[in-house]
Amino acid sequence: EVQLVESGGGLVQPGKSLRLSCAASGFTFDSYSMHWVRQPPGKGLEWVSSINSNSDIIAYADSVKGRFTISRDNAKNSLYLQMNSLKPEDTAFYYCAKAMGLWHGMDSWGQGTLVAISS
Amino acid sequence: SYELAQAPSVSVSPGQTARITCFADALSRQYTYWYQQKAGQAPVMVIYKDTERPSGIPERFSGSSSGTTATLTISGVQAEDEADYYCQSADSSGTLWVFGGGTKLTVL
Repeated sequence: EVQLVESGGGLVQPGKSLRLSCAASGFTFDSYSMHWVRQPPGKGLEWVSSINSNSDIIAYADSVKGRFTISRDNAKNSLYLQMNSLKPEDTAFYYCAKAMGLWHGMDSWGQGTLVAISS
Repeated sequence: SYELAQAPSVSVSPGQTARITCFADALSRQYTYWYQQKAGQAPVMVIYKDTERPSGIPERFSGSSSGTTATLTISGVQAEDEADYYCQSADSSGTLWVFGGGTKLTVL
């Protein structure tokens, strides 16, 4: 059974940094692309970033480009999102999701971790 | 930027057919995916690559796509289908993903 467990969320001040982690199990992690998706409380889903299996294809939404960095450690079956220069509008639940294949939609999701940006 | 438009809400009675539509603002050759999100839960994929249904998803869920429009159809809607539904696709480069704004399905 695929399991994705996010961690690292919390309350931070604007301008600060936070690093999210996603621990994956139940599948061959290094064979799949991975995604980060966020959802402000009470609002819709927003794609944040994606990374392919060997980290040579990476993409970001315009809203986070230059501030967020996605990475993965296939030896540790882990996905990361380094978030810098955080803004109040980054407040959201952040979900880690597994891609169906090379660069496809999201067939498994974690339960999410809440990031709140406020002074 | 590439955008997907969905009606904010759809209401149907149990046993009826619900159709949720996703309009793209430009012709794209990329596949459409559909997700169901119930209150307080993570999203679940219900349709992939326009028309395919993941294992474990009931047969009453189906998808179609034509031109710039993709449609999720739920035949014989049940009370448990009440949820938010999101379409997703990629831009013409296939690299950047986008979600529609979501459609809240209410079962009367």
